Amino acid sequence: DAGVTQSPTHLIKTRGQQVTLRCSPISGHKSVSWYQQVLGQGPQFIFQYYEKEERGRGNFPDRFSARQFPNYSSELNVNALLLGDSALYLCASSLATGGAGYGYTFGSGTRLTVV
Amino acid sequence: GESVGLHLPTLSVQEGDNSIINCAYSNSASDYFIWYKQESGKGPQFIIDIRSNMDKRQGQRVTVLLNKTVKHLSLQIAATQPGDSAVYFCAENTIQGAQKLVFGQGTRLTINP
Repeated sequence: DAGVTQSPTHLIKTRGQQVTLRCSPISGHKSVSWYQQVLGQGPQFIFQYYEKEERGRGNFPDRFSARQFPNYSSELNVNALLLGDSALYLCASSLATGGAGYGYTFGSGTRLTVV
Repeated sequence: GESVGLHLPTLSVQEGDNSIINCAYSNSASDYFIWYKQESGKGPQFIIDIRSNMDKRQGQRVTVLLNKTVKHLSLQIAATQPGDSAVYFCAENTIQGAQKLVFGQGTRLTINP
């Protein structure tokens, strides 16, 4: 079975540009969460979607948005990129929301560099 | 604000020795406490978790201890192997409300031959 798939794996953008990151969850998983991991730190929660609805949002500006599609895949969009947005963006899928740690499976992430 | 922190940023142990990684948490309302392992270029990988109504849980070569009195969590790895080299994160989660994992900063575990 395929795990959580994220694309692209790496990309470089210029300040002020917009970026879209994509995530395909494990087959059967209906929830997708997005995390930002700055180098040397733990992941920070951005969004959680379940059954195409936003179920949680972290402390991130409105430049960050996301959506979930009928096939449960998800996109994370970041507008007006800043240098500080450079990070590894992780997607985690789960059957449902919340609960035990074993329920979350992370992808390998998208490494975004803003120059 | 919310935080899950770690006492030591790096830990170096001899191959075959036991490793103990510590974590302090701040949200006493969390329902689950989780340990993740992250290798270079990969996302966090689940190791073991413990529910808040337990104080100890064992897995294969790993044990998690939870002390709610002092809000402390630890991960013990027995007979550490070279493949255990990674960054280890503790995280906490709640069943109700905002469904999110709150991660600590991480401890880098290095195995000496």
